[in-house]
Amino acid sequence: DAGVIQSPRHEVTEMGQEVTLRCKPISGHDYLFWYRQTMMRGLELLIYFNNNVPIDDSGMPEDRFSAKMPNASFSTLKIQPSEPRDSAVYFCASGPDRGNGNQPQHFGDGTRLSIL
Amino acid sequence: GNSVTQMEGPVTLSEEAFLTINCTYTATGYPSLFWYVQYPGEGLQLLLKATKADDKGSNKGFEATYRKETTSFHLEKGSVQVSDSAVYFCALRGSNYKLTFGKGTLLTVNP
Repeated sequence: DAGVIQSPRHEVTEMGQEVTLRCKPISGHDYLFWYRQTMMRGLELLIYFNNNVPIDDSGMPEDRFSAKMPNASFSTLKIQPSEPRDSAVYFCASGPDRGNGNQPQHFGDGTRLSIL
Repeated sequence: GNSVTQMEGPVTLSEEAFLTINCTYTATGYPSLFWYVQYPGEGLQLLLKATKADDKGSNKGFEATYRKETTSFHLEKGSVQVSDSAVYFCALRGSNYKLTFGKGTLLTVNP
């Protein structure tokens, strides 16, 4: 089975540019999560969706960040304008809804973002 | 709110040594508990889980027991291998679907 697929794997761009990260969740999974990982702050949940609807975006750092899920098989995380402090590894994860909340999340391999 | 505290690394062991990585948590209600592992350049993978008090999760020789009285979920392995070198994350999930992670513990196993 294909896992969670993220693109690009690496992105290097100059500050002020728009950055778009992409995620394809595992087919049939109802939940999708975006995380950010840095040495200083560890792993932070930015936003998550259930059935394509954003449920909790309290972790989104500021208005420069936005996320969409136009359909069950695709999500984007956009940063505009980007700043050097946005440099991090961004992970997408998906998980099924089996009603008991105990199903694990499956992570993609991440996008390593460097803002110069 | 929910929180997870795990022992700070890095942890360096010789092959076949015994491993313990401590994890304690704070949560309301009855959370589910997880250990995830992250190999270099990869995303997190579920290692094991426990969903109620006294449950023991196990996988690939790793074990952890859900201790409600001590709010702990320590990870153990009797004999580590070089291939176990990775970052290990303790996590909990409360009443919603959100995972709360610890900061991660880097384990290095030397031959």
